[in-house]
Amino acid sequence: NAGVMQNPRHLVRRRGQEARLRCSPMKGHSHVYWYRQLPEEGLKFMVYLQKENIIDESGMPKERFSAEFPKEGPSILRIQQVVRGDSAAYFCASSLQTGYEQYFGPGTRLTVT
Amino acid sequence: DQQVKQNSPSLSVQEGRISILNCDYTNSMFDYFLWYKKYPAEGPTFLISISSIKDKNEDGRFTVFLNKSAKHLSLHIVPSQPGDSAVYFCAASAEITSGTYKYIFGTGTRLKVLA
Repeated sequence: NAGVMQNPRHLVRRRGQEARLRCSPMKGHSHVYWYRQLPEEGLKFMVYLQKENIIDESGMPKERFSAEFPKEGPSILRIQQVVRGDSAAYFCASSLQTGYEQYFGPGTRLTVT
Repeated sequence: DQQVKQNSPSLSVQEGRISILNCDYTNSMFDYFLWYKKYPAEGPTFLISISSIKDKNEDGRFTVFLNKSAKHLSLHIVPSQPGDSAVYFCAASAEITSGTYKYIFGTGTRLKVLA
């Protein structure tokens, strides 16, 4: 039973480029959460999605960031026109139902040069 | 506005002794709490949880205590082992809408167990 998968594990982008981070939840999980961890900081909630729906995006920056979780395929976190301040580790988690324990992927480390 | 706080960024403990990690929260509506452990370059892994209807939950060497009146929870690790060296995050369940929840995480405490 595979865990939460994230790819790529490492991503390097130049300022102004787009970054696409992918997350495949655990089998049977339909709730997906994205978090960002800046260097030396904790996990900051970004967005909570269920299949084809955004449940809560209160932690997402208003511009350049978007997320989706289509009916088929992985969840995607998209960052347009990246800036150096976007450099961080981005973690995806999934749960069987809302309020249940979340299981995390290994993270994607984004570096903006 | 940090609703879940871990005021100790780091803690060092001798192997075999007890490790106590603390977490405070501000929202009395939180009713479910979890602890996660995170090694470098890996995602957090679930450790133990507690519902607000309990004041203690134990799983092997790990025990979580909840003091609702003080809005405080703690994680005890006894005995501590070098492999326990990691960053520990506490998290609280926050209701978004009726029946829908997300987790608010603390900033983490880095535990180092000395051999």
